[in-house]
Amino acid sequence: DQQVKQNSPSLSVQEGRISILNCDYTNSMFDYFLWYKKYPAEGPTFLISISSIKDKNEDGRFTVFLNKSAKHLSLHIVPSQPGDSAVYFCAASAFGNEKLTFGTGTRLTIIP
Amino acid sequence: SQTIHQWPATLVQPVGSPLSLECTVEGTSNPNLYWYRQAAGRGLQLLFYSVGIGQISSEVPQNLSASRPQDRQFILSSKKLLLSDSGFYLCAWSVGWGEQFFGPGTRLTVL
Repeated sequence: DQQVKQNSPSLSVQEGRISILNCDYTNSMFDYFLWYKKYPAEGPTFLISISSIKDKNEDGRFTVFLNKSAKHLSLHIVPSQPGDSAVYFCAASAFGNEKLTFGTGTRLTIIP
Repeated sequence: SQTIHQWPATLVQPVGSPLSLECTVEGTSNPNLYWYRQAAGRGLQLLFYSVGIGQISSEVPQNLSASRPQDRQFILSSKKLLLSDSGFYLCAWSVGWGEQFFGPGTRLTVL
């Protein structure tokens, strides 16, 4: 039972344009969401998070949007840069739960 | 600042051999500790987590085990490796719930 889904395994975007990565979840108990970035042969790096009391959180070029009614979140990267090429994982947890549930990842390729 | 170490970085083992992967965290006390596996082309699968010394929760039944002999040390073990144990193993830590911070990972190839 995949509770966190990233339906696009890959995405290619021109440098300078906006990258939009999507994530859907099914567990209504989830109320905290995170995005991680992973380069090959390295551990994931935390990027940005959002709690269910908000619908948007920004950090520099990265913005996460949360639509609770649709159980959907997205990560926007503007402008996209070559160093953004990586696999992006979304993750979710319920308040007070030590565990994160990860999606299967989306490989983002930025085309120069 | 906090740092997390994993070793070895890469490992090639024959089927049926034992396994021991080690993870240590510096700069924090009483962290939650986690072992994940990323199989080829797959997402991150939580294998074990620990909220304290000697406290291990197993998420997926398999031939792997975990131990936490010290506050900031987490060990992943197997008595006999299977081909299906190949993958990229990641250790992570957190303080309470929320963000987890990952180590550099161990690439395990079972032949």
